[in-house]
Amino acid sequence: DAGVTQSPTHLIKTRGQQVTLRCSPKSGHDTVSWYQQALGQGPQFIFQYYEEEERQRGNFPDRFSGHQFPNYSSELNVNALLLGDSALYLCASSVGPGTGNEKLFFGSGTQLSVL
Amino acid sequence: DAKTTQPNSMESNEEEPVHLPCNHSTISGTDYIHWYRQLPSQGPEYVIHGLTSNVNNRMASLAIAEDRKSSTLILHRATLRDAAVYYCILRGGRNAGNMLTFGGGTRLMVKP
Repeated sequence: DAGVTQSPTHLIKTRGQQVTLRCSPKSGHDTVSWYQQALGQGPQFIFQYYEEEERQRGNFPDRFSGHQFPNYSSELNVNALLLGDSALYLCASSVGPGTGNEKLFFGSGTQLSVL
Repeated sequence: DAKTTQPNSMESNEEEPVHLPCNHSTISGTDYIHWYRQLPSQGPEYVIHGLTSNVNNRMASLAIAEDRKSSTLILHRATLRDAAVYYCILRGGRNAGNMLTFGGGTRLMVKP
């Protein structure tokens, strides 16, 4: 049973460019959340997708957007990249929109470097 | 959002029990207490969670204080593989959804 898979594993971009990161949830999971983890910090919540809609959003600008597909996979898009966007981007999947009583399963992340 | 407080770091010897404390004095009645850990170069990994009663699973035990204002994650026999950052997180109630608020966590070092 494959867990949460993310692609690519590493990515290098230039300031001002746009990037798309991809996530396939664990089998049987229908909810995907995205997190940003800067070096030496804990992960920070970006947003959550359930039933192809953004259900919750953290304190991130509109440059961060996402999408969920009918097969529950998800994309994270970041426009107009800044140096400060360099981080590990983590995807987590779970079942249902979230009541607090679910486990989240995380992928290994995409390491984004903005030069 | 309800906040948790953990020691920055702890050290343990291999094969000895480890007790990782967490304070959450502003916890609400519907908040679940979750623990995740993050090994180097990996995404966070679910460890255990509970609401009011103590919980056990194959990885660890969770002891929850009667007033729920604190909890302790117990690793019964630490191994080198348990060296990680451990995060105590509250979920549910007003924190419902999949927004996990990660604090600084406790960095556990395990000595052979």
